[in-house]
Parts: sequence; structure tokens; C-alpha cells
Amino acid sequence: DSGVTQTPKHLITATGQRVTLRCSPRSGDLSVYWYQQSLDQGLQFLIQYYNGEERAKGNILERFSAQQFPDLHSELNLSSLELGDSALYFCASSEVLAGVSDTQYFGPGTRLTVL
Amino acid sequence: AQKITQTQPGMFVQEKEAVTLDCTYDTSDQSYGLFWYKQPSSGEMIFLIYQGSYDEQNATEGRYSLNFQKARKSANLVISASQLGDSAMYFCAFTNTGGFKTIFGAGTRLFVKA
Repeated sequence: DSGVTQTPKHLITATGQRVTLRCSPRSGDLSVYWYQQSLDQGLQFLIQYYNGEERAKGNILERFSAQQFPDLHSELNLSSLELGDSALYFCASSEVLAGVSDTQYFGPGTRLTVL
Repeated sequence: AQKITQTQPGMFVQEKEAVTLDCTYDTSDQSYGLFWYKQPSSGEMIFLIYQGSYDEQNATEGRYSLNFQKARKSANLVISASQLGDSAMYFCAFTNTGGFKTIFGAGTRLFVKA
């Protein structure tokens, strides 16, 4: 158990809908990262927050947004969902701000299925 | 731009034998970190081992060791005494100081045979 929690574990929804994925980092970790893992794209970095502020953006679609709250938990919002958004979404956390030695610990993931 | 390559989509190894999973990277940065993660069929991503670009010794964590060859830009994972529970997907990942991003390779699926 990495200490990172994600809810829900599974989510099934329809095209056009909006969902929110939630992540609680390990105790003491200030950085939160979101990743998307799909069969055709592999593991893709979406976005990173540090202590409530957005710090880096990767291949995140405009339909997706995220935030990190004062208690350091984070939410990833996915809207106008398409079939291609079906994937495993991971949250990871690390202690500090993306130093080269800063290990990211992953949550169990949320499996999103868009029908 | 940084790039990370895992050229072995699948590997087979006999139980109790050692196996090497390849990882090469491309960067012009001097300071960077290399990580290996394991993803079993249950889906979670498990951190295995880390190597910093300035580390003079190869990293070791239990049965995992990292064969780091900086000049060749390779960071191969060596698993000694393979166990059935080692059957999983293995990802190599790269982080540098400037990008605040971690790049993952495509992964290698390891099958351990009894």
C-alpha cells in the first residue's frame, strides 16, 4: 500500500457526461500528479500540482481540469466524455517539488469506462 | 526533448534465474533521475528502484539492481532469482530538473515460468 488513495475505484458513465476523480496524497506529500494509462497511448502525464498550485502540464485535454485543495487532496474533472477517454487514471504523490530524486508513489487508480 | 525507450515488449524467464530488462533514454541534461516501476495484473504501480545521474554506484534494492551506463544512456533493471510473483509489466521512467514531468517508457511485460 503506497499510502495514496483514489476514489472511486471503478466508474462507468456515458458519452457527454462529466465525472470527478478524487485523490488523497500520502501524509506529508505536497506534490500531486495525474496520469492517464490507455492501451494505445501508454502512461501519459496529465498535470501536476504542488501545495495547491499548478506546476506542470502534460498532454491534458481542454475538457479536463484539476485542482488541489488546501488539505492537499486533488480532484481531476473530466467533462464531455468521449469513448476514447476510457482509461485507467492514476494519481501519484511525492514529497517535494519534482526534484530528480523525488519518487512518485502511485495510488491504485480509477478505471473509467465511457459507454 | 527527452525520450525513453524500452525495446522489449515481452520477456520470458525461468523461475530462480536472473533477467535484465532494457531501458535507454535520450537527454542533453546533466542532472536527471531514472526510476523503475512494476505494474502487476491488479493494476497498481509499484516503485522499485531509483538511480540519479550523479550517483557513482549502481542502485540496489533487494533482488532489484540497476545497471546504469551513463555514457550509453542506459538504465537496465536486473531482477535476480526471479519469482512467479515477478510476472508483471515493468516501466522505466525519466525525470529531469527543468521539466517537472516524468516520462514513462512503453513497458516490458515479464513472464516468469515455473
